[in-house]
Amino acid sequence: AQTVTQSQPEMSVQEAETVTLSCTYDTSESDYYLFWYKQPPSRQMILVIRQEAYKQQNATENRFSVNFQKAAKSFSLKISDSQLGDAAMYFCAYRRETSGSRLTFGEGTQLTVNP
Amino acid sequence: EAGVAQSPRYKIIEKRQSVAFWCNPISGHATLYWYQQILGQGPKLLIQFQNNGVVDDSQLPKDRFSAERLKGVDSTLKIQPAKLEDSAVYLCASSLSGTLYNEQFFGPGTRLTVL
Repeated sequence: AQTVTQSQPEMSVQEAETVTLSCTYDTSESDYYLFWYKQPPSRQMILVIRQEAYKQQNATENRFSVNFQKAAKSFSLKISDSQLGDAAMYFCAYRRETSGSRLTFGEGTQLTVNP
Repeated sequence: EAGVAQSPRYKIIEKRQSVAFWCNPISGHATLYWYQQILGQGPKLLIQFQNNGVVDDSQLPKDRFSAERLKGVDSTLKIQPAKLEDSAVYLCASSLSGTLYNEQFFGPGTRLTVL
């Protein structure tokens, strides 16, 4: 079974600074997808960024980028120029390559952005 | 494009009572998911529908939980009878089958409190 581990229950960052959230996963599959979701207090899960396992290039979405280390089964999220609106719970998630398969989530990291 | 709709947003019941949650997915999305998110944890898949057929219900406590998706559109999740440990946020998500990422779009969730 696949598992996703987020070892940082809480993180904080100063506004305009950079923060990195960690995620490791365990799988025997070679093809899969990895995601970072953001969940603000409104509870709406919002997709931040995704990475295909077969791609060596790290995904980037504006201020958000990932460091994907397939051999180490590591998938960290870097937020640059942190903004107050980035404060939320962040979840790392894994999905098998099979179409429509379930998402397996980590326990989450609560990010606080200090003004 | 309208998002995933859920109701009610909040529900408080006493243990042993029954409760039902409703979800309306994004129009055209064939796949529908129900997740349970206990406070401080990541979401866990309860059941997945493809149109009106069940794809995955391996983590659904079938002695008390049931779900249906009539006509392959709206879905209802029921708990009967509820236990204290069922207190959680119930998230509904939908995805468009056949796309590369099958990105899941989440609703705002229903927060259930069992007293």
